[in-house]
Amino acid sequence: ELKVEQNPLFLSMQEGKNYTIYCNYSTTSDRLYWYRQDPGKSLESLFVLLSNGAVKQEGRLMASLDTKARLSTLHITAAVHDLSATYFCAVYFHDMRFGAGTRLTVKP
Amino acid sequence: SAVISQKPSRDICQRGTSLTIQCQVDSQVTMMFWYRQQPGQSLTLIATANQGSEATYESGFVIDKFPISRPNLTFSTLTVSNMSPEDSSIYLCSALPPNYGYTFGSGTRLTVV
Repeated sequence: ELKVEQNPLFLSMQEGKNYTIYCNYSTTSDRLYWYRQDPGKSLESLFVLLSNGAVKQEGRLMASLDTKARLSTLHITAAVHDLSATYFCAVYFHDMRFGAGTRLTVKP
Repeated sequence: SAVISQKPSRDICQRGTSLTIQCQVDSQVTMMFWYRQQPGQSLTLIATANQGSEATYESGFVIDKFPISRPNLTFSTLTVSNMSPEDSSIYLCSALPPNYGYTFGSGTRLTVV
């Protein structure tokens, strides 16, 4: 059974700081997703990573994928309050399996 | 990007009743998926719905409780039957349209009283 482990589960950051969220998964897959969820809302797609070594960046967020290590990272650069949300990684293997989520709070 | 319209967006239901949630995709998709997200939790897959065949349910979910229909390649429904307060959750449908990433509906926030 595919397992997706995400850490940390809770992250409190100061504005302007950098941090990385980690996502490990147990079964070979070449399709990894990162989503953002605001309270009471559905999931917003951030990144789709489709190959080993893939790196994608959007604003202050950068995601990477190492399929050999079965690891993806979501790096936050110079955090701002608007990034406060819950971030999920998810791995597709016949269906989509989600990590537990990282609840990010960015404080002034 | 592909669009999945989900309704209702929220509902408050009496225990013992049933609620049917609908999802419409703006393109044809082979598989649709239904998830449950309990408060403060991650998403748990309920079932995968293929057009023309019975849905495949994950461990802990059964057809009698969560019947699913998939009458064509753009539409699916999930019914939450004989509801109890433990069924209070957000229910999300999703699909993998061609040429787009995995896409979610807007979610249905269900409260059972």
